[in-house]
Amino acid sequence: GESVGLHLPTLSVQEGDNSIINCAYSNSASDYFIWYKQESGKGPQFIIDIRSNMDKRQGQRVTVLLNKTVKHLSLQIAATQPGDSAVYFCAESKYGYALNFGKGTSLLVTP
Amino acid sequence: DVKVTQSSRYLVKRTGEKVFLECVQDMDHENMFWYRQDPGLGLRLIYFSYDVKMKEKGDIPEGYSVSREKKERFSLILESASTNQTSMYLCASSNRDRNYRPSYEQYFGPGTRLTVT
Repeated sequence: GESVGLHLPTLSVQEGDNSIINCAYSNSASDYFIWYKQESGKGPQFIIDIRSNMDKRQGQRVTVLLNKTVKHLSLQIAATQPGDSAVYFCAESKYGYALNFGKGTSLLVTP
Repeated sequence: DVKVTQSSRYLVKRTGEKVFLECVQDMDHENMFWYRQDPGLGLRLIYFSYDVKMKEKGDIPEGYSVSREKKERFSLILESASTNQTSMYLCASSNRDRNYRPSYEQYFGPGTRLTVT
């Protein structure tokens, strides 16, 4: 069946560096993708989204890139800060306006 | 700000008990969702609801039921709790966009960590 997977379960970056978190998806019919951030002890929090008719979308310090040819999604975080340490989930649209979530990547920002 | 609250942060129940997990959202959202989150498995959709008294099965509905008697409240029910239902349970809600289409952007509560012994 369809799945949303992540290339790396953990990612360690130095404070101030840029971070790139990758995600592969398999459902070519998905038309909407979201990145969520989950800090310890909290529920996931929306970061940024992108529709399938776009290749790139920018937010504050974050950029999402969508490559439909290889079914790949990435989240780029500029000038990573300690507060960015969290688990990041990509999600794709599915039936009923529900979301299919990936397994998550843990981002650790070191000083 | 949207606020989604869940009745308990931590809950310990015994095998065979009937368990109710409550979720309330204060932004008049149409859609509500229940997920469970397990290490290495991410978030998996249990049930969701488009409207009052409406419910749809998600990917893993077995052993669960739901109730939505009021728009702001969505309850998850474990009819007879089992140890394999020990997990973090997350509730979420979403609204419609400016064109009155359902929105994929979901707002999550803090979660209920349920332990079944």
